[in-house]
Amino acid sequence: AQSVTQLGSHVSVSEGALVLLRCNYSSSVPPYLFWYVQYPNQGLQLLLKYTTGATLVKGINGFEAEFKKSETSFHLTKPSAHMSDAAEYFCAVTRRYNNNDMRFGAGTRLTVKP
Amino acid sequence: GAVVSQHPSRVICKSGTSVKIECRSLDFQATTMFWYRQFPKQSLMLMATSNEGSKATYEQGVEKDKFLINHASLTLSTLTVTSAHPEDSSFYICSALTWRDYNEQFFGPGTRLTVL
Repeated sequence: AQSVTQLGSHVSVSEGALVLLRCNYSSSVPPYLFWYVQYPNQGLQLLLKYTTGATLVKGINGFEAEFKKSETSFHLTKPSAHMSDAAEYFCAVTRRYNNNDMRFGAGTRLTVKP
Repeated sequence: GAVVSQHPSRVICKSGTSVKIECRSLDFQATTMFWYRQFPKQSLMLMATSNEGSKATYEQGVEKDKFLINHASLTLSTLTVTSAHPEDSSFYICSALTWRDYNEQFFGPGTRLTVL
């Protein structure tokens, strides 16, 4: 079965600083990888996803992530943090051609300091 | 994009009562819907997978008689928490898959259940 590990349950950055949220996955078959953002008392919003093709994926709100097979990683980055980026972020993995089994990481809470 | 709604967004009930939560795909037909549970400051845990017209598949440790799932149409799935207890208090989130984009689950806004 596939799984995801998010390193760091809490990340704090200053406004304007680089955001780096780490995600490592484990999968016996080619994975599909996702990053979601969750604001308090709300559902999940898709930031970006990797399925096939280009390994550098650009998403909404200036976020991007790079699929690195050799490192089994899918880290999320944003060059310059904004106050509105403060939220909970989840990395998730499914198996290629089978989205019935999505596994989420434990989540990383991003705090942005003024 | 595909939109999924949940109703109610928030519900408070007394211990021992049953609560029904609806999950609707508003602009697409959902062949498969999922129900997740999220405790405070924790990740989403899959409870069950439901396919239209068939019985739901429950994850290990989830009581199917307590969490009744019905997926009677391609746009509606319901989760009924029967004889609710305070430990059932949680945030319940549904998601849906479509034929047109089976790479992605579309998530509802969630339902906050509080059992007194």
